[in-house]
Amino acid sequence: DSGVTQTPKHLITATGQRVTLRCSPRSGDLSVYWYQQSLDQGLQFLIQYYNGEERAKGNILERFSAQQFPDLHSELNLSSLELGDSALYFCASSFWDRGEQYFGPGTRLTVT
Amino acid sequence: QKEVEQDPGPLSVPEGAIVSLNCTYSNSAFQYFMWYRQYSRKGPELLMYTYSSGNKEDGRFTAQVDKSSKYISLFIRDSQPSDSATYLCATSGGSYIPTFGRGTSLIVHP
Repeated sequence: DSGVTQTPKHLITATGQRVTLRCSPRSGDLSVYWYQQSLDQGLQFLIQYYNGEERAKGNILERFSAQQFPDLHSELNLSSLELGDSALYFCASSFWDRGEQYFGPGTRLTVT
Repeated sequence: QKEVEQDPGPLSVPEGAIVSLNCTYSNSAFQYFMWYRQYSRKGPELLMYTYSSGNKEDGRFTAQVDKSSKYISLFIRDSQPSDSATYLCATSGGSYIPTFGRGTSLIVHP
């Protein structure tokens, strides 16, 4: 158990809908990272927050947004969902804005 | 050319074998190197985190980095069936955001 928690574990929704994924980092970690993992793309970095502020952005679609709250938990919002958004979404955390990242168990999103 | 490349496998070995997993990368600015183990549909688990060239050992695992050839390896000694998983290598540079390989599937059979 890495200490990173994610909810929900599974999410099934329809195209065009909006969902919110939640992540709580390890105790004491200030940085949160979001990744998408699909069979054809592997593990892709989406976005990083450090102590409430956006620190780095990767291949994140405009339909996706994220934020980190004062208690350091983070939410990833996915809107106007498409079939291709079906994937595993992982959150990871680290103490600083760099260094070793510890991953959560993931949220499996299925868009039908 | 992808930034980090791994042979997807599967690599099948008998229990007790020494396993060698490898990655190549293209960006010479990469200086941090990681290996993660991922069981099916679970979150990646950090195994090794190294900086620059050289070896790092942790129990049955040894990570090796050769920056001159842009080649990183993970050796697993006395492999066990519980080691069966996908192994992801990752590297990062100044941005500290890791770029992951697609992973190598390892099967250790009893």
